[in-house]
Amino acid sequence: GDSVTQMEGPVTLSEEAFLTINCTYTATGYPSLFWYVQYPGEGLQLLLKATKADDKGSNKGFEATYRKETTSFHLEKGSVQVSDSAVYFCALNSNTGNQFYFGTGTSLTVIP
Amino acid sequence: DVKVTQSSRYLVKRTGEKVFLECVQDMDHENMFWYRQDPGLGLRLIYFSYDVKMKEKGDIPEGYSVSREKKERFSLILESASTNQTSMYLCASSRLLAERYEQYFGPGTRLTVT
Repeated sequence: GDSVTQMEGPVTLSEEAFLTINCTYTATGYPSLFWYVQYPGEGLQLLLKATKADDKGSNKGFEATYRKETTSFHLEKGSVQVSDSAVYFCALNSNTGNQFYFGTGTSLTVIP
Repeated sequence: DVKVTQSSRYLVKRTGEKVFLECVQDMDHENMFWYRQDPGLGLRLIYFSYDVKMKEKGDIPEGYSVSREKKERFSLILESASTNQTSMYLCASSRLLAERYEQYFGPGTRLTVT
């Protein structure tokens, strides 16, 4: 079945460091891929998405490229800020149904 | 601004009580979902609904039921709460042809069963 695997956390970085959170997926067909962010005490918010191979999603300095050949959708940011501290979830939605599949989440803490 | 609201942010109930968690969306979305979120397990789908009065079991439906009498409202019911149902519950909605569209989430309800 469809699934998402993302790197385990927690991740701790200093401000202005480079961030990568790895995400790989298993799916039939051509899924859409998403990154969500959850700030403390809140629900999930969409951070970015890509709906076909080689698409790059970007938002708030974060980027992720849909790589079909490696079934990956890694999240990157060139210079993290303290305000980026949150839990990040990779997710997919296959084109065979209305269900979404989420990774287990990666907790990021950015220290000044 | 799109919105998904949940009836309570925090809830404390006793073992054996019947618990209702309410979710309302104002985006006219066809799909609505209930997840529970636990540390190390991510989000797990309990139930979803793609239309009024329609429901589908997710990955962990045992101990839960749902109700969708109106398009904008989706209720999660714990018939007899147990301590292993202590968790964060998240409601979400999306458009019907969901493969290209994201889900919108509510703020969550943190339920403690004592």
